[in-house]
Amino acid sequence: GAGVSQSPRYKVAKRGQDVALRCDPISGHVSLFWYQQALGQGPEFLTYFQNEAQLDKSGLPSDRFFAERPEGSVSTLKIQRTQQEDSAVYLCASSPTSLPGLLLHFGNGTRLTVT
Amino acid sequence: KQEVTQIPAALSVPEGENLVLNCSFTDSAIYNLQWFRQDPGKGLTSLLLIQSSQREQTSGRLNASLDKSSGRSTLYIAASQPGDSATYLCAVTQGGSEKLVFGKGMKLTVNP
Repeated sequence: GAGVSQSPRYKVAKRGQDVALRCDPISGHVSLFWYQQALGQGPEFLTYFQNEAQLDKSGLPSDRFFAERPEGSVSTLKIQRTQQEDSAVYLCASSPTSLPGLLLHFGNGTRLTVT
Repeated sequence: KQEVTQIPAALSVPEGENLVLNCSFTDSAIYNLQWFRQDPGKGLTSLLLIQSSQREQTSGRLNASLDKSSGRSTLYIAASQPGDSATYLCAVTQGGSEKLVFGKGMKLTVNP
């Protein structure tokens, strides 16, 4: 079956532009996560949704970052006024359970390059 | 704050070797520990998950152990193959939190 789908696959933005990254989780998955992975680093947590509720946004690095999941399925990560330090791969993961760490399925990520 | 460390950052071995990958974490109050594999340009695939009450998990040629009191885990890969070449990441979850805390990963190259 279909896995977690992320689009676009690659995004190049000029510094100061706004970007929107999309995640289509596996159908029926209640939990959805966003992670940021800089080059040569492990993923770092950004935010977590359980259905449509954003339960944890402690990892969002600044108020330029905003995430939503209005109907409890598709999620969008928006970055306003992009900066060079925002360049990274943004990974989305979903799970059918709310139990920590279990049955996670990751998408292939969106590689954002800010020039 | 939980910190996860993986050393070395990279390893290159000939095919057929048995390998041990190491992971350490600073806060032993974990809920579970998980080993992932990441291929270039791809997302993460979970290999093994060990709950805090468990000592080890096995899947095929992979065996992961957990020593929570010392803050360490090892991933053992038997009879390595070129197809095992990838980056391996260790991650923990804390009690009361749903997020994963990752190490930086170890890039493995298995040469034919």
